[in-house]
Amino acid sequence: DQQVKQNSPSLSVQEGRISILNCDYTNSMFDYFLWYKKYPAEGPTFLISISSIKDKNEDGRFTVFLNKSAKHLSLHIVPSQPGDSAVYFCAASSSGSARQLTFGSGTQLTVLP
Amino acid sequence: GAVVSQHPSRVICKSGTSVKIECRSLDFQATTMFWYRQFPKQSLMLMATSNEGSKATYEQGVEKDKFLINHASLTLSTLTVTSAHPEDSSFYICSASFQASPLHFGNGTRLTVT
Repeated sequence: DQQVKQNSPSLSVQEGRISILNCDYTNSMFDYFLWYKKYPAEGPTFLISISSIKDKNEDGRFTVFLNKSAKHLSLHIVPSQPGDSAVYFCAASSSGSARQLTFGSGTQLTVLP
Repeated sequence: GAVVSQHPSRVICKSGTSVKIECRSLDFQATTMFWYRQFPKQSLMLMATSNEGSKATYEQGVEKDKFLINHASLTLSTLTVTSAHPEDSSFYICSASFQASPLHFGNGTRLTVT
């Protein structure tokens, strides 16, 4: 049973436009959510996070939105750049889990120049 | 710069041999490290949680006698794949956290068992 789902395995966006990556979760105990970016043969790199007490967190070109009632979060990248092309994983944890993360299956973002 | 170092980045071994993968936190003490495994085009799956000075906690379905984890110091955890078989070929990634900071990941180890 996948507790964190990324239903779009891939997404292509034109440079300069907005990229929207989506993530859904089923476990209501999750209270902390993270987005990671991963290049081939490298470990994931932390991008941005949000705790369940907030519904939006912004860091430069990256904004994460959390809709707790829908158990849905999204990552917005604007403007998208070719260097953003990578696999993006969303991850979730609950405060009682010693920071264990449950990952989605990832979305391959391709930003076209 | 990297805060978690994982070594080796790539290893090829023969079936039946054992392989050790090291994970080091470079500039912080990690009381907890995590070991993940990733199959192609799939998510990172948590294998075990490694606690300094105590036994690791394994996720359901992960054989603790096959995947030996040692967390002997606050900066080093090791994963040993014992008696490796071709089906153990995968990408193994460790991560470590410091206080409330998001988990930092190593660059992973690509294991190929022939």
